[in-house]
Parts: sequence; C-alpha cells; structure tokens
Amino acid sequence: KNEVEQSPQNLTAQEGEFITINCSYSVGISALHWLQQHPGGGIVSLFMLSSGKKKHGRLIATINIQEKHSSLHITASHPRDSAVYICAVRGNYGGATNKLIFGTGTLLAVQP
Amino acid sequence: EAQVTQNPRYLITVTGKKLTVTCSQNMNHEYMSWYRQDPGLGLRQIYYSMNVEVTDKGDVPEGYKVSRKEKRNFPLILESPSPNQTSLYFCASSLWAGGHEQYFGPGTRLTVT
Repeated sequence: KNEVEQSPQNLTAQEGEFITINCSYSVGISALHWLQQHPGGGIVSLFMLSSGKKKHGRLIATINIQEKHSSLHITASHPRDSAVYICAVRGNYGGATNKLIFGTGTLLAVQP
Repeated sequence: EAQVTQNPRYLITVTGKKLTVTCSQNMNHEYMSWYRQDPGLGLRQIYYSMNVEVTDKGDVPEGYKVSRKEKRNFPLILESPSPNQTSLYFCASSLWAGGHEQYFGPGTRLTVT
C-alpha cells in the first residue's frame, strides 16, 4: 500500500461544477503539499499546509491531521483547471523530514 | 524572475553514453532535489541536497550521481544510462528542507535507446 493515496485517479467535470480531490496518508507528517501539473509537464506548487485550511482564488485546501486526510476543492471549475493534481507529504520522523512522498496524482478534465 | 532552470529539456541518447542534466536556481535556496516521473508510479525522489557539499539518497538513487559544489547548481549525472532510466526528470528547490514551498524546474524528458 502506498504511503500517500489519492482519489479519484481520474475525474471528469462540467464547467462550473464544484470539484473535490482527496488525499490520505499513512505516515506522520510535518507538511502536505498540493501540486498542479498541466499537460506539457510543468509542476506548480498550489498549497503547502500543516493544519487547517488555505484558500487561493477558487482553490481551497484543507487538512485533518488526526484523520491523516487532506482535500483540494475547486469552486466554479473551468476548462483551464484541467491538469493533474498531486498530493505530497513531508514526514516528521528521521530522514523523512528531508524528503517528499508523492501520491500518483488525480487527472482532472473540465469540459466546457 | 525567481526560477529553477534545467538543461537540456529534451534528450535522446544511447545506452552507456554518460550524460549530465544541469539544474540551477536563483533564489538562494538551501535545499535542492531531483525527481523522476513515470506513468503509474508518480514522482519519486532520486537524490537531494540540504546544502553545499551535503547530498543524500532518495528512494531511487541507483544509476545516478549528483554533486553540489555551489548553492545554485545541482547537476544530475548518469554515468552509464540504461533504457530503464527513460523518464521525465524534475529538479526542485526550496528555502529549507522542511515545511517550505517547492519550486520545480520545467522538466527534462530523457530517452535512452
């Protein structure tokens, strides 16, 4: 079992829909990252959080440390949101504090 | 502009021919890292560096070498590339190792025939 699991693996939505992508992890963490990768490959950091909730524009990220779970929400989705969304965690034990552990990503397609 | 640059962006080479992928950042970041991305496996860490002259293995270091002689540069060296090293490679940097936003380079698509 992977240490970081994302769901769903693939998601198709209509423009304007509210989207949720989930990330569950099995290790103790010091931080969780949400990344976005557009077709063509470039990776952009969306959020880094260790507790609570963060918002940037139409994107909201939440984390529940006790349940080892994070969600990324997109409100009023748009075709330009189509991308792969990747969850990554940084462990809080030993050498894991120096490394990121990645989920395999969620491929989102938003149709007009 | 704050950025991480990688060169080359695309490379096709043959088995056994040594190659270097360069990575440079202009943000004075302490931490740099190399990842490879493969379909179905996601991103996996190859090597990382906490600071100049301090490097350590990630999860998939076999077949790779790195060096960190200057803070801004972190080259990835494949001494004898093999076809199983065909992948998309990303360099990234952050201010410190823990709890800081990662900045990624544009990626290098490597094909080893």
